[in-house]
Formats: sequence, C-alpha cells, structure tokens
Amino acid sequence: DAGVTQSPTHLIKTRGQQVTLRCSPISGHKSVSWYQQVLGQGPQFIFQYYEKEERGRGNFPDRFSARQFPNYSSELNVNALLLGDSALYLCASSPGSMMDTQYFGPGTRLTVL
Amino acid sequence: DAKTTQPPSMDCAEGRAANLPCNHSTISGNEYVYWYRQIHSQGPQYIIHGLKNNETNEMASLIITEDRKSSTLILPHATLRDTAVYYCIVRPRGPSGKLIFGQGTTLQVKP
Repeated sequence: DAGVTQSPTHLIKTRGQQVTLRCSPISGHKSVSWYQQVLGQGPQFIFQYYEKEERGRGNFPDRFSARQFPNYSSELNVNALLLGDSALYLCASSPGSMMDTQYFGPGTRLTVL
Repeated sequence: DAKTTQPPSMDCAEGRAANLPCNHSTISGNEYVYWYRQIHSQGPQYIIHGLKNNETNEMASLIITEDRKSSTLILPHATLRDTAVYYCIVRPRGPSGKLIFGQGTTLQVKP
C-alpha cells in the first residue's frame, strides 16, 4: 500500500509570495496533521484535521492555514512568506483523530529567498 | 516544550545492540511513550510505542521502567542504515493528538 504522499518535493519562493503544499494520506486514514521542521530542530506541530474539521492548532501565525477535502487529502497554505518559513513541511496521517499512530510522508522542502 | 530528555548523541558498533535512553519524569498515567526516527531529512519513521508494558516489534524493543519515568529503545543488531536521529515522545492527551518533538538523539552506527 502507498504511504503518505506529498507534493511538491521541493519548492523555491520569494518573500511575500504565497505557497500551497499538498498531502494525500494513507488509504483509509481520515486524519491529517502538518508539521514544520526548521533545520537542526525537531518537527513542530502546525495543524491537525479530522473528518474535514480542524482539531488542533499549534503556535503559528494566521498566515498559516489548512483544509481537508472530502477524500481526506489536505492542503497547507502559507501567505506572505518570510525567510524564516524556510523549512521541511511534513504531513502525517492516522486512522482517527486522537491517539492513533501517525505516519509521516517524505516532506516538502520550502526555500524562501 | 517536549516532556522528554535524551542524550544528544550516541555511537554504536555495527552488529551490536543500540540502547537509547529517554527520561520522562513528568509523564501522566494515561500518556503513551512513542519512538520515531528520522534519517537525513526524510520524514520521521514510526518505530514503536507503549504505555507501561514492554513492547517488541520487528524493528525494536521498548523497555519502560515500572515507575514510567524513563524508557529505553533497543535496536538488537544495529546496522549502518540505523544511523538516524531518534525521537522519544510523550504523547499528551487532547483532541489534536499532536506529537511534541524534542531534539532527539543522533545515533551513529560505526563499522
């Protein structure tokens, strides 16, 4: 079975631009979580969605938003990009919402110039 | 903030057991201990998790002390491909089920 997939794998943007990252969960999984990993640090939680509803949000500004579609895929949007948004963005899926094991995708490497 | 403390780095000889410690002295009774690893900026890979009993799967064993204040991840026969950053995570209860990552332990397996 296919694991979590993310697109694109790499992305280069300039400051002030907007970016959309995409995630397809493992088949049958209804929950998607997003994490940001800055170089040299562990991943930080951004959002979790379950059954198309936001179930959790980390300490990120309103420039970050996400949504989940009826097929359980998800998009993460970041507006007004800053240099500090350069990071590996990880998507994880799980069968349900709360305590199910999360399985991560390969990530999208975003570079902001 | 992460609720776990791990040594920043460890070495292990290829073919030997790798024992990675983790302290989680403030763990609550209903919180699980999860282990993930991350190989060179790939996505984190789930290894194992447990509540209070020792657990074993095809990848590793997890030993949790009786007071649940610490645990050890054991890779029984480490290979070069096990070189990675290993994260010990105490998963908080809550609707989001979020994972809070610390700095992890960089395990270097040497030939």
